[in-house]
Amino acid sequence: GAGVSQSPSNKVTEKGKDVELRCDPISGHTALYWYRQSLGQGLEFLIYFQGNSAPDKSGLPSDRFSAERTGGSVSTLTIQRTQQEDSAVYLCASSFGTAGELFFGEGSRLTVL
Amino acid sequence: GENVEQHPSTLSVQEGDSAVIKCTYSDSASNYFPWYKQELGKRPQLIIDIRSNVGEKKDQRIAVTLNKTAKHFSLHITETQPEDSAVYFCAASDSGGYQKVTFGIGTKLQVIP
Repeated sequence: GAGVSQSPSNKVTEKGKDVELRCDPISGHTALYWYRQSLGQGLEFLIYFQGNSAPDKSGLPSDRFSAERTGGSVSTLTIQRTQQEDSAVYLCASSFGTAGELFFGEGSRLTVL
Repeated sequence: GENVEQHPSTLSVQEGDSAVIKCTYSDSASNYFPWYKQELGKRPQLIIDIRSNVGEKKDQRIAVTLNKTAKHFSLHITETQPEDSAVYFCAASDSGGYQKVTFGIGTKLQVIP
């Protein structure tokens, strides 16, 4: 596709379960970001991948959160032992390099019951 | 790392009036300053950006100004319309380097018809 694709678009899970969120960036984009956005709030940075460099994980809120990017393309954000406060929209974005337009996906809305 | 401060957090204007949103950044190496608009329930999208080699850029009713000495940049919207109602995010990054894009907290703009 032409844009950033995220799946699932909606995920409802029970507290304590693990979830995986997927991001398929625009082909050729070297930079990939994950953000979390709670209702009515700003963009909370989680993690940043740039090319083959080590990812910037400084925004991950706890060790229950992890992400990987395989082959410089698709990325998966994993949340283990989900908590109710993890409920939010998780947005993925990609860009060509560090100073180009960021293209955001539609987001994955996570609800933890 | 970079720190971007944005104000005001909320802004209400009458239709037809102008709106100004201001941001400051901390890292003098930053040289790319984009602005994103996020309509309710939608993904953020780039509306305008400016690089450090210019002081001002206009695109129809929107303009951005940059003062590198003071590390300030601003978004100006003239002749506001109801469809301008959204959350606006400023950001900064260092093109050519590894520095990730850093966002401000966002400004919720309401244009009153």
